[in-house]
Order: sequence, then C-alpha cells, then structure tokens
Amino acid sequence: EIVLTQSPGTLSLSPGERATLSCRASQSVSGNYLAWYQQKPGQAPRLLIYGASNRATGIPDRFSGSGSGADFTLTISRLEPEDFAVYYCQQYGSSPLFTFGPGTKVDIK
Amino acid sequence: QVQLVESGGGVVQPGRSLRLSCAATGFTFSSYGMHWVRQAPGKGLEWVAVIWYDGSNKYYADSVKGRFTISRDNSKNTVNLQMNSLRVEDTAVYFCARLGRLWSLDYWAQGTLVTVSS
Repeated sequence: EIVLTQSPGTLSLSPGERATLSCRASQSVSGNYLAWYQQKPGQAPRLLIYGASNRATGIPDRFSGSGSGADFTLTISRLEPEDFAVYYCQQYGSSPLFTFGPGTKVDIK
Repeated sequence: QVQLVESGGGVVQPGRSLRLSCAATGFTFSSYGMHWVRQAPGKGLEWVAVIWYDGSNKYYADSVKGRFTISRDNSKNTVNLQMNSLRVEDTAVYFCARLGRLWSLDYWAQGTLVTVSS
C-alpha cells in the first residue's frame, strides 16, 4: 500500500514569500500520476496541478509542480492573500487506487 | 460550466443505510468517471470510491469495501453512493468529483454532511 507523506505539516509565511511544499510517496508513483489540490475552510478542494507538473484550467502561473518517482514539490512563487489554505497531494495507481496525503497548511506568519 | 450537486446527506443511526446522489450538468457525463471522496470533521481527504465512465469498473477504499456501493445512471446524469452498515467513523462531508486528466479529480461538488450517531 502506497503512503503519501507531506511536509511540513504547517508552513508559516508572509504574503509575497515563496512556499515550497513536499509530497513523498512510500514507493514510486506510476506514470507520475500526482496531483495537488487547494482547500479553504468550508469549501471543496480545487485542483491545482495534475500529472506532477501541469497546471489545471484557470490556475495562476505562480503555482508550479515538479518532481518524479517518489518525490514531488508544489511551489507557490509569491504568496497572495488568497493562497493561505491547506494543500493536499494525491496519487493514482497503487493500492488503494487513489490516495491523498495528510495535507500541508500554509498560514500567515 | 461544470456543476456537481449532491443530495441525500443527514443524520443516521449506526448500522443503518443512507444513499447519496450527485447530479451533474455542463459536460458529457457519460464520458467521465466519477468519484466519491470524504472528509471527517477537522481531518484530511479520504478517497472512497470511483466508477468508470460506463459503469464497467468500480473500485473502493478498504475502509468501505463490502458496505458501500457506487453506481451511476448515465440517462439521468447522476452518480450515487449507497452506504450500508454505517459506522460512527463514517461521519464526514462527502464530495462527489469528476475523474479528470491524468487521474486527477478536476471538478468537485460542495459536499454533503453525513452524521452517524445514536
């Protein structure tokens, strides 16, 4: 069973700063089928990145994804006030078929 | 535009059943797989089940296998989640979501709360 680990658990930053979020899998993610989501309180998650590095429709270019194999990164180049939220990674391919990481909270310093 | 709207949530006693539905508009429903994902209060996301675009394949998380059944009606543009033998630990907001590119979940409904309590 594949397990996703996200670090750090909480990231305290100021607007304008760069955020680097990590997602590590316990084994290689097949096809780099790794996605990132943003969730704000009381809202549904929103897809940011799919296939490790492809931005979803309408996602600003300050969001970027990278990585392969078992190590993936979501980078927010310059934090905007609306970017403070919880971010989840998700993989497809290993049992269970779909898995989410535990999330990283990005909060205002 | 893509829109997903759930119904059917509520309060139910342990051991009882509940059926959730998700109505889809704004896209060709019969061309897309559909998921259910849940989120317990204050917790992270947990994938529950997925059904292929034509209903030919269904997969479940181990935590719900044998108790929950995902189904779809492409003539009505709906996906359902039949939840039997409910447990207190099934209490969560349940989201339906569309299976997107490269196995992502690209559109999500707003969620419906299921509370399992005596």
